[in-house]
Amino acid sequence: NAGVTQTPKFQVLKTGQSMTLQCAQDMNHEYMSWYRQDPGMGLRLIHYSVGAGITDQGEVPNGYNVSRSTTEDFPLRLLSAAPSQTSVYFCASSSGQGHPLDLEGYTFGSGTRLTVV
Amino acid sequence: LAKTTQPISMDSYEGQEVNITCSHNNIATNDYITWYQQFPSQGPRFIIQGYKTKVTNEVASLFIPADRKSSTLSLPRVSLSDTAVYYCLVGPPGILTGGGNKLTFGTGTQLKVEL
Repeated sequence: NAGVTQTPKFQVLKTGQSMTLQCAQDMNHEYMSWYRQDPGMGLRLIHYSVGAGITDQGEVPNGYNVSRSTTEDFPLRLLSAAPSQTSVYFCASSSGQGHPLDLEGYTFGSGTRLTVV
Repeated sequence: LAKTTQPISMDSYEGQEVNITCSHNNIATNDYITWYQQFPSQGPRFIIQGYKTKVTNEVASLFIPADRKSSTLSLPRVSLSDTAVYYCLVGPPGILTGGGNKLTFGTGTQLKVEL
């Protein structure tokens, strides 16, 4: 059981380039989300999805696009990379049952460290 | 999510018990308390969740007083490998367990364990 898999682990982009950060989970989780983590700022939600075909914006969505064509995959696209998007990106998933006895919480991937120069 | 306050950092030594307290004065009746652990260069990992009194699992214990305005994460006999950031989150199950809403993290408590 791989959990949440993120690729690539490291990436360097030039300003203006585009790229896609991949996220896949094999737990049949309905809920998936993307966060970015900057030094001293905790994790901030970029986009999230409550199921295939449904996405919504989080706290810091500008400059990013997402799609959810399957339950397993939730790619994050950077349209035109900017230095301000240098960060560590985490993908997370959960069963989305919303039940207090669902004690698994969120499962996070190991992250993608992105540098935009 | 309810606003939470936790220490920015804590230091400890191997073998000691560490207690990290989180204040959440405006906790709502249907809110639960959840703790996550994040090691360097890794994503956060769910540790424990509770509603009232005491919850214990193989990793930690969570103590919640009757008024629920605070909670304490207790790590027994810490080791160097427990050095991590610990996040306290308070909210309804729909948010804490991914029922379609937004889970946000603060900056957490940086625990440093030394020999």
